[in-house]
Amino acid sequence: GAGVSQSPSNKVTEKGKDVELRCDPISGHTALYWYRQSLGQGLEFLIYFQGNSAPDKSGLPSDRFSAERTGGSVSTLTIQRTQQEDSAVYLCASSRLGYEQYFGPGTRLTVT
Amino acid sequence: QKEVEQDPGPLSVPEGAIVSLNCTYSNSAFQYFMWYRQYSRKGPELLMYTYSSGNKEDGRFTAQVDKSSKYISLFIRDSQPSDSATYLCALLGSDYKLSFGAGTTVTVRA
Repeated sequence: GAGVSQSPSNKVTEKGKDVELRCDPISGHTALYWYRQSLGQGLEFLIYFQGNSAPDKSGLPSDRFSAERTGGSVSTLTIQRTQQEDSAVYLCASSRLGYEQYFGPGTRLTVT
Repeated sequence: QKEVEQDPGPLSVPEGAIVSLNCTYSNSAFQYFMWYRQYSRKGPELLMYTYSSGNKEDGRFTAQVDKSSKYISLFIRDSQPSDSATYLCALLGSDYKLSFGAGTTVTVRA
């Protein structure tokens, strides 16, 4: 079956611009996660959705980061006023049972 | 101190060798223990998971967990060049957040 899909695969933006990253989870998976992977920090948790609600936003680095999920499916991660330190690969994962998390290919964000 | 420690390598082995990877952790609340494989410019791929101490085999892969020592391992038998990738350990607590090791880069030489 289809896996987790993410778009765009690559995004180059200028410092100060807003960006939106999209995640389409595996059909039937109720849990959705966003992680960030960067050279210096490795893979870090950002936010977790169960259905449309986000019980854990503890990993969001600043109030410039927000995420939403609609219809228990697609999620969007928005970064406002991007900074160079936001450059990273943003990974989305989904899960049916909570422990088996399946990742998408990621969005590579470069802030110039 | 990081919650999960993993030697980033790199590790280079000849084809057919056994690859041995490991992680240590500090939080005894972790309940599930995963290994992911990540090829360059791809997302992590779930290889194996386990939730109890002991061994779990899947083909050429064996995952080992020792909760008393807070130590997990992954062994790859009869390694192939296609096994060349970065291997990440990931641990899950009751909060459903994965805590990752730094990843070990493995190269299997033909």
